[in-house]
Amino acid sequence: GIQVEQSPPDLILQEGANSTLRCNFSDSVNNLQWFHQNPWGQLINLFYIPSGTKQNGRLSATTVATERYSLLYISSSQTTDSGVYFCAVDDWGDDKIIFGKGTRLHILP
Amino acid sequence: DGGITQSPKYLFRKEGQNVTLSCEQNLNHDAMYWYRQDPGQGLRLIYYSQIVNDFQKGDIAEGYSVSREKKESFPLTVTSAQKNPTAFYLCASSMQVGGQPQHFGDGTRLSIL
Repeated sequence: GIQVEQSPPDLILQEGANSTLRCNFSDSVNNLQWFHQNPWGQLINLFYIPSGTKQNGRLSATTVATERYSLLYISSSQTTDSGVYFCAVDDWGDDKIIFGKGTRLHILP
Repeated sequence: DGGITQSPKYLFRKEGQNVTLSCEQNLNHDAMYWYRQDPGQGLRLIYYSQIVNDFQKGDIAEGYSVSREKKESFPLTVTSAQKNPTAFYLCASSMQVGGQPQHFGDGTRLSIL
């Protein structure tokens, strides 16, 4: 099945810094989502982005399907951005959605 | 507001006991899913359902059972056969399996007494 790799596994930044999180996948995908899991465990949809670029406030995402990667950009980080960011894909031939292991982001005040 | 409700938030299980986790959605979604998350890890799929009265095993179905008698409800039973049930359980739904964004409940934390 498809392999999903996220990098870096951990990231510690000062408040106000910018960051880029990466998601690589091993085969063509039908769809890709980015999620944020807050310290209480809640998973929040950030982007549904099988291809192209989307922006939502300080966050934006780009998926280059032909090169099998997606990037999540966080600008002017705030402490509330802390948590784990997951990338999830589903491939063309399978009903399942496969999650990466996540990037754990710590924003220091 | 539409959403997914999981209950309870915290659950404790004694050895040899079955417990059932509730998941209800009012989003009118056809597909529902159960995931398990261990500390510091990603999500692993337990079971999923595309329509009422139909469900399929995910990657780690052993020791779990589900039912889908109503579109809105997809309860998960953690049986005594699941030897390591302590984890965070998340329920999700989407308009249909594959190709649609998933929406998640707030999760249930299960611990062994």
